[in-house]
This record gives sequence, structure tokens and C-alpha cells, in this order.
Amino acid sequence: GENVEQHPSTLSVQEGDSAVIKCTYSDSASNYFPWYKQELGKRPQLIIDIRSNVGEKKDQRIAVTLNKTAKHFSLHITETQPEDSAVYFCAASKNWGTGNQFYFGTGTSLTVIP
Amino acid sequence: NAGVTQTPKFQVLKTGQSMTLQCAQDMNHEYMSWYRQDPGMGLRLIHYSVGAGITDQGEVPNGYNVSRSTTEDFPLRLLSAAPSQTSVYFCASSYTLATNEKLFFGSGTQLSVL
Repeated sequence: GENVEQHPSTLSVQEGDSAVIKCTYSDSASNYFPWYKQELGKRPQLIIDIRSNVGEKKDQRIAVTLNKTAKHFSLHITETQPEDSAVYFCAASKNWGTGNQFYFGTGTSLTVIP
Repeated sequence: NAGVTQTPKFQVLKTGQSMTLQCAQDMNHEYMSWYRQDPGMGLRLIHYSVGAGITDQGEVPNGYNVSRSTTEDFPLRLLSAAPSQTSVYFCASSYTLATNEKLFFGSGTQLSVL
């Protein structure tokens, strides 16, 4: 099956700085890569996603890049704010007929220091 | 529109006890799934369903049973709870996974097995 690795496991940045979280995947057939944000005690929520036919996607202060050749994708948060503090999960999935599975990374705990 | 509703929010069991975690969605989603979240291990898929009457195993299915008799409900059963099943459980649904749609998560169930 798919193996998704995520780094770093913890990340601290000063408010206003950028944060980058990286993930690698093993299955070249994976074609969808979402990122979820989980605030303390809350449910994960999708913040951005990218499909394999796109190299980069941006939504205001967050962006995701995908390198299919190297099988890695990254989350970029610019101008970080204290409310960006949360655990971020990457995931990879692929279509295969009636079934599908999302494989999640182990998470990155981001702390934005005011 | 309540989204994905999970009950209970907290549960303490003794080893060997059985229980059912409830999950319901009111978005007419075809796909429903159960994840467990453990520290440092991300979200791991237990079981999933692509429609009423259809279920399949995920990464960590042992010790859990599911059924999908209606589109709305997808209960997770622990037949004989073990301490290794202490975890936070999330139910998640999406309209369809034919095109890798966004997952909507429930609020989670924190389960402790003593």
C-alpha cells in the first residue's frame, strides 16, 4: 500500500515568518493530495488540496506544491499568524474502481509564536 | 444540515466489553469511513463503505466490525475491547470517492479501554 512520510513532526516559527511542511509518498498511482488542519480538540478540516495534473495551487496565504517525479508535495504558509497554530496532516489517495483509501502522514504540530 | 454526527464524545470501557460508536451524516454522502488517531501515528483507516450494503477493510481493521444498512449511518462495533484500542476515533464521509472528494470529519470519540 501507500506510505506517506511527513516532516517535521514539530515546527515553531515567529509570527509573520513562513512555514513549510513536506510530505513524500511511495505509490506513483496516487493522484490526489489534500492537507488537513486540526486545531486542539477539534476535527480535521480540509485547507487545501492538489491533484496530480497540477504542480502548484495557492489560496491566499497557503500554497501547495507537487513534484510527481520526486513523489513529494509541500505545504507553504506565508505571513503566519497565531491562529495558524495547529496540527497539519498531509494525505495521498488514488482512484481504483469502487474502492479508495486516504493514507495520512503522521502530522506536524505548528506553533506560531506571537 | 448537521454534517457528520458522532456519538458518544467520550467513553471508558473495561477490557472485554463491547460497544458501538455511532456515526450519521445528512449530506447524502456515498462514502463513509472510520479512522483512529494515535499520537505520532496520524490517522489510520479502519473500515470504509462506498454505499449502503458495501463495506471494506482499511489499514487496521482487526477488532472492529462495521455495517452500512442505510446511506446515513455507519456504526463501528468493538466486540471485545482491548487496551490497544484506546484512541480517538473519527468518522468521515464524502459525496463520492470516484474523483477524490473532500472528507468531512465528525467531532471524534475519545475512547479509553482499561
